[in-house]
Amino acid sequence: QVQLQESGPGLVKPSETLSLTCTVSGYSISSGYYWGWIRQPPGKGLEWIGSIYHSGSTYYNPSLKSRVTISVDTSKNQFSLKLSSVTAADTAVYYCAQGTPAATDYWGQGTLVTVSS
Amino acid sequence: EIVLTQSPGTLSLSPGERATLSCRASQSVSSSYLAWYQQKPGQAPRLLIYGASSRATGIPDRFSGSGSGTDFTLTISRLEPEDFAVYYCQQYGSSPELTFGGGTKVEIK
Repeated sequence: QVQLQESGPGLVKPSETLSLTCTVSGYSISSGYYWGWIRQPPGKGLEWIGSIYHSGSTYYNPSLKSRVTISVDTSKNQFSLKLSSVTAADTAVYYCAQGTPAATDYWGQGTLVTVSS
Repeated sequence: EIVLTQSPGTLSLSPGERATLSCRASQSVSSSYLAWYQQKPGQAPRLLIYGASSRATGIPDRFSGSGSGTDFTLTISRLEPEDFAVYYCQQYGSSPELTFGGGTKVEIK
């Protein structure tokens, strides 16, 4: 059974960089089709941030592309998200997930990140 | 960029009733890449349907998906108390990108 767990600061100051890590267990991260980040502002819907593929290729939401970096550490079976120059609009629950073109099969429990001074 | 529009925004029904949720795409979507999720408060989304009509593991058969092209439907044949939640459709695009619909809330009438 694949399990994903997000970790990182719950509070980030405006203009700083949000950094989160997703630790994967029960599955080799080098075997998965893609690993991605999805966020959900409080009371709102789901927004795809970006994904990294088993090939190492990364793809980002065009609306966030200039601020996002997703990377993988296969030695730790983890992948990470960095979102720079954050504002209050980046306050959200951030989910890491694993999927294929058919569906996003596995999700982490989510972690709330608040952007505030 | 494909936009997914879900309707209605809120569906007020009683347990035992049938729920029909719509997901309309701004351009044709591959049925193989259309999925539905259920989300309850404080929880991550849970995969219900993939490939537009295939139930994920452990999903009761009261949940069914259908559709093709630009129009997709999630049907819950008889609502159980645990089915009251928010439902999202998602498509996997060619860029590749993921796109989610805005969600439909199924609430108790």
